[in-house]
Amino acid sequence: NAGVTQTPKFQVLKTGQSMTLQCAQDMNHNSMYWYRQDPGMGLRLIYYSASEGTTDKGEVPNGYNVSRLNKREFSLRLESAAPSQTSVYFCASSAGRTVQSGGYTFGSGTRLTVV
Amino acid sequence: GQQLNQSPQSMFIQEGEDVSMNCTSSSIFNTWLWYKQDPGEGPVLLIALYKAGELTSNGRLTAQFGITRKDSFLNISASIPSDVGIYFCAGGSGTYKYIFGTGTRLKVLA
Repeated sequence: NAGVTQTPKFQVLKTGQSMTLQCAQDMNHNSMYWYRQDPGMGLRLIYYSASEGTTDKGEVPNGYNVSRLNKREFSLRLESAAPSQTSVYFCASSAGRTVQSGGYTFGSGTRLTVV
Repeated sequence: GQQLNQSPQSMFIQEGEDVSMNCTSSSIFNTWLWYKQDPGEGPVLLIALYKAGELTSNGRLTAQFGITRKDSFLNISASIPSDVGIYFCAGGSGTYKYIFGTGTRLKVLA
């Protein structure tokens, strides 16, 4: 009953370094999402993939890129990390293409610090 | 970007008390969700609401989809220590994407 698995759980980067956050789901969901969570800001959508082969920008896409590798996997890449990208990153997935299809299942998060 | 307003931002209550929180928006939604986030974990779905006026329960939790479709409410009855956490609302319309509230942080005093 893995659900949504994110790796790594914790990461410290130096400014300018790059890294990829990995996400995989085993529920055969069509849609996948990347959110960041900052204190007092709630959850903000970075990128999403409505279905395999498609990706779209969310609310805060600058400084990030994504890849929907296959139906299971959706990765988030920081090409040149900045301190403003210090945050907790959550991957989520949902079964259907409309909000009426149900809510998201979230992973347990990646805590990223950029120094 | 658009976010939902949740109230209160935080609350301390005594064990056994009832809790009420709400979420308001300037936009109309056709789906409302309520999530709970435990420390160090991702949010977990508690209740989903799909129709204006709908009242849905999940154990000690009851949520309502506001008639105007611009708000939603969550009540927790007889709170217990494990209710501690952050409660998020999320509103959705159309396809794919939900907008999340800023969260209500609940602390229960034994």
